[in-house]
Amino acid sequence: NAGVTQTPKFRVLKTGQSMTLLCAQDMNHEYMYWYRQDPGMGLRLIHYSVGEGTTAKGEVPDGYNVSRLKKQNFLLGLESAAPSQTSVYFCASSPGLAGGLRNEQYFGPGTRLTVT
Amino acid sequence: DAKTTQPPSMDCAEGRAANLPCNHSTISGNEYVYWYRQIHSQGPQYIIHGLKNNETNEMASLIITEDRKSSTLILPHATLRDTAVYYCIALEYGNKLVFGAGTILRVKS
Repeated sequence: NAGVTQTPKFRVLKTGQSMTLLCAQDMNHEYMYWYRQDPGMGLRLIHYSVGEGTTAKGEVPDGYNVSRLKKQNFLLGLESAAPSQTSVYFCASSPGLAGGLRNEQYFGPGTRLTVT
Repeated sequence: DAKTTQPPSMDCAEGRAANLPCNHSTISGNEYVYWYRQIHSQGPQYIIHGLKNNETNEMASLIITEDRKSSTLILPHATLRDTAVYYCIALEYGNKLVFGAGTILRVKS
């Protein structure tokens, strides 16, 4: 099991450029999440998905879009990057709630994004 | 979800038990206590969670007071690799995790 993987690991963008971050999990988890973490701060939820084809906004969704076309993948898009989006982005997945499964999240290694 | 309060930092000697406190005085009956940690530059890692009873797994023990207003995470034999930020989170089952500032645990040789 690879667990949760993220692509790419590092990226530098110029203001106004677009990019997509890919998250993949091989644990057959229902739920997936995207967080951002700014220096010295806790994680903040951007968007999440409770199943294939569904997405929902988190705490800081502006400037980002997401898609969950396949159960194992969760994509985070930046249409027009801004310096304020410089951050470390973490993806996570969890089993969901069915069958009394615990709501424990498994995190990927992160993507370090710099917008100049 | 209930607010949690943790000390900003703690030190622990290698090989000794690390006891990390968390206050959640406004916790409701439906809210679980979750613990995560984040080792430098890595994604957070789930440690343990509980509702009322004390819990133990291969990583740690969780002691919840009878009134549920506080809890303690115990790492029985801390190693240098346990140096991390530890987050205590109280939330209802299924709600979204909210990470606060956490406690920086420094394990020293």
